[in-house]
This record gives sequence, C-alpha cells and structure tokens, in this order.
Amino acid sequence: EVQLVESGGGLVQPGGSLRLSCAASGFTVSTNYMSWVRQAPGKGLEWVSVIYSSGNTNYADSVKGRFTISRDNSKNTVYVQMNSLRVEDTAVYYCAREQIYDYVWGSYRPNGWFDPWGQGTLVTVSS
Amino acid sequence: QSVLTQPPSVSGAPGQRVTISCTGSSSNIGATYDVHWYQQLPGTAPKLLIYGNSNRPSGVPDRFSGSKSGTSASLAITGLQAEDEADYYCQSYDNSLSKSVFGTGTKVTVL
Repeated sequence: EVQLVESGGGLVQPGGSLRLSCAASGFTVSTNYMSWVRQAPGKGLEWVSVIYSSGNTNYADSVKGRFTISRDNSKNTVYVQMNSLRVEDTAVYYCAREQIYDYVWGSYRPNGWFDPWGQGTLVTVSS
Repeated sequence: QSVLTQPPSVSGAPGQRVTISCTGSSSNIGATYDVHWYQQLPGTAPKLLIYGNSNRPSGVPDRFSGSKSGTSASLAITGLQAEDEADYYCQSYDNSLSKSVFGTGTKVTVL
C-alpha cells in the first residue's frame, strides 16, 4: 500500500526551529517528486516546497531561505527543516507525492498532481 | 493570495447537480497546464479527486467530473450525496510564479 506518515510537529517559539519527517512506504521517494503543502487553521492549501527526483529543490517565496527540504534514500524519508519560524508558519503540514506520469494513458502530463497525501502534522508557532 | 479563484461555497439538495468553478489566468490554467481537484473531508487530509483536468483515479465515483476551457476549469458533482459535504480545491501550475498553486477552496453543503 502506498502511504505517507508525517511526524515532528509541535509547539515552538517564534524564531525557533523544527524538523518534520515524512516516511514513505509502497514506493521510493528518490524516484519521485515529493512536496510539502501546508494549511493554516481555517484556511486553504498552500504549496511550500518540492524535492525532485534529480535532487533539485524549489520553495515558496514565503519560506525561501528559512526552510530546507531534503531526503534520506536509505530511510525512504523526506524532511523539511524549518528555521526562523514565524507565527504565520502555524499550520498543518502535509507531505505528498507529486505525480506527473499518467499510467492509465501512458503519458507525461504538463504539471503534476498530489497523490497520496500524509495525514498531516501540526506546527504551532507561538510564545 | 491565491491566483486561482473559487466560489467560497455552493450548496444543493441530495440528488442535485452542483458545479465549482476555478478561474485562473494566462500564466496558469490558460497556459495549457492541467487542473487537478481535491476533496477534503472535515478533519482529514486532502484526497485526489480529478487529475489531468478530467481523469478520475480508481475508486472515485463517476458522479464527479472535471472540465477545462480557456483560463477556467470546473468540477461537477451529480447526484449529490450527504457524504459529498466537504471542501474542494483546484490546483495547477503557474509559470510566472514557478510553483504549484491551489485555488481558494469551496465548501460544498448538502441541504
């Protein structure tokens, strides 16, 4: 079964750091695009970061320079190191696999979709 | 501030048909990027509902359908059921922002 399980959330003071983990099973993270998406309380979804199969990374402007996405192939796990946390970073953080190959039609799509998603982990930044 | 705009809410009686619009621009939906849709039931993670504008993953009922035209896309739910009450989000890619973008989200209420 393809599954993602996040961990590492919690309460942290403004300016603090936290590392979230996303353990994958049923597929290999190193051959997929893996993203973090967050959702502030009562708000919509916001894409945060992606690590491509090549190892290249990309970030939303709101977290660039503060967050670092990485992966450990031996543990089949993706991480996001979050530094200089702000109150506005408070959210449920989801990891998700980004798929761009349509196995039904046997073709690549121009942009990816997120499936599956983990259950999410709550990060609260507050003093 | 999302670049994809959805109506905040739509509602319908059981059995009715409702549609949710997702309006973008020439740098995302209008730039031939696909639109994907997600369903988020209360207190749960989002779940893929439609990918590639109109394709349903295995297990998604055929009551859900998607379409795209120009700079907009739509999700239709026919034969509305109580369990369809949830938040729905569209998603695409924006080449001026160089990132994936989500819609503002729509809450579907079954009357």
